[in-house]
Amino acid sequence: EVQLVESGGGLVKPGSSLKLSCVASGFTFSSYGMHWIRQAPKKGLEWIALIYYDSSNKYYADSVKGRFTISRDNSKNTLYLEMNSLRSEDTAMYYCAKAHLAYWGQGTLVTVSS
Amino acid sequence: DIQMTQSPPSLSASLGETISIECLASEGIYSNLAWYQQKPGKSPQLLIYGASSLQDGVPSRFSGSGSGTQFSLKISSMQPEDEADYFCQQSYKFPLTFGSGTKLEIK
Repeated sequence: EVQLVESGGGLVKPGSSLKLSCVASGFTFSSYGMHWIRQAPKKGLEWIALIYYDSSNKYYADSVKGRFTISRDNSKNTLYLEMNSLRSEDTAMYYCAKAHLAYWGQGTLVTVSS
Repeated sequence: DIQMTQSPPSLSASLGETISIECLASEGIYSNLAWYQQKPGKSPQLLIYGASSLQDGVPSRFSGSGSGTQFSLKISSMQPEDEADYFCQQSYKFPLTFGSGTKLEIK
């Protein structure tokens, strides 16, 4: 059974940094691209980043380009999202998702507020 | 970026009723469209991929159609468990983009 478990969210002040993790199980993690998607409270879904299975390519939404970095450690079956210069508009539930978005984690909540 | 315009924003349906949700892409995306269902406090669940292919485990009352710029999700015979938010999403070009969602409620 595919499982994706995010962690690392919390309450942080504007301008600070945070690193999210997503631990994967139930499939060969090193064979699949992985995404981060977020959802602001009571809002729609916003795709923010993709990393290829071998980290050879990374894509970002313009809203996070230059501030967020997606990475992975295939030896640990773990996906990461490093978030810098956080803004109030980054407040959202952050989900990781496998390949073609067929499987999503339960999400981790990031709140940016002074 | 490809804009996905979803309609209606909300919908109320009776049990057993057939409903449709529409999604319009701002440019042609062939069949690179998916539909998701999201219940309160839960993560989205994939229903349809490739515009019309049913994800494993999804009831057959859900169906998708369309190609190019116009797509639709149909639920034949609304069930209580279908009360949820529904989103379309294109995967033709980066950035991947989602529709703004349709809230489906039981009348």
